Amino acid sequence: DPKIIQKPKYLVAVTGSEKILICEQYLGHNAMYWYRQSAKKPLEFMFSYSYQKLMDNQTASSRFQPQSSKKNHLDLQITALKPDDSATYFCASSQGTPSGNTLYFGEGSRLIVV
Amino acid sequence: QQKVQQSPESLIVPEGGMASLNCTSSDRNVDYFWWYRQHSGKSPKMLMSIFSNGEKEEGRFTVHLNKASLHTSLHIRDSQPSDSALYLCAASPPSFSKLVFGQGTSLSVVP
Repeated sequence: DPKIIQKPKYLVAVTGSEKILICEQYLGHNAMYWYRQSAKKPLEFMFSYSYQKLMDNQTASSRFQPQSSKKNHLDLQITALKPDDSATYFCASSQGTPSGNTLYFGEGSRLIVV
Repeated sequence: QQKVQQSPESLIVPEGGMASLNCTSSDRNVDYFWWYRQHSGKSPKMLMSIFSNGEKEEGRFTVHLNKASLHTSLHIRDSQPSDSALYLCAASPPSFSKLVFGQGTSLSVVP
């Protein structure tokens, strides 16, 4: 059974619309992350949260907003979608920070913006 | 900004052969290195980690780390077609709150 659940697995969105990607982890971890992977760029760090507080943000655009309603939830809201946002978005979690702790990834949400 | 560089970009090895992958970090504060494997259409999964200078072996996989040069390498002996995947190197400095990944090495093991 997957321990990190991402929804939806696939979605197609229209340019200018807004979508929310859902992530729940059942590993008991206290740190959660969002990464993005596209054909043009390698696995790219976006956000990290620890105990529901933002630890790091490498996303320049405010169109990407993480939302943590519970310790084991970290959703990603994307507004004003652009074709360049097309990518697979991976949620990950770890027990503590990445300093010595392994990151575990969900299966990803593949977003296509048309 | 910290960068992780991997080489080669792609690699083809015969079944039963040895695959050697390289990775270097540009950040001297890096303390921890990981190797992840990502099969096509799947998520990355941790393969091996190394935090100390030297060598670590797990089955057919061996990882080396030279902290002075911030270089790590992954060696896969007796390569199998199921080893065909994207291999991602990642590094994390001790005080940072993210794992930085390289661009990956695409390995193809051909019968």
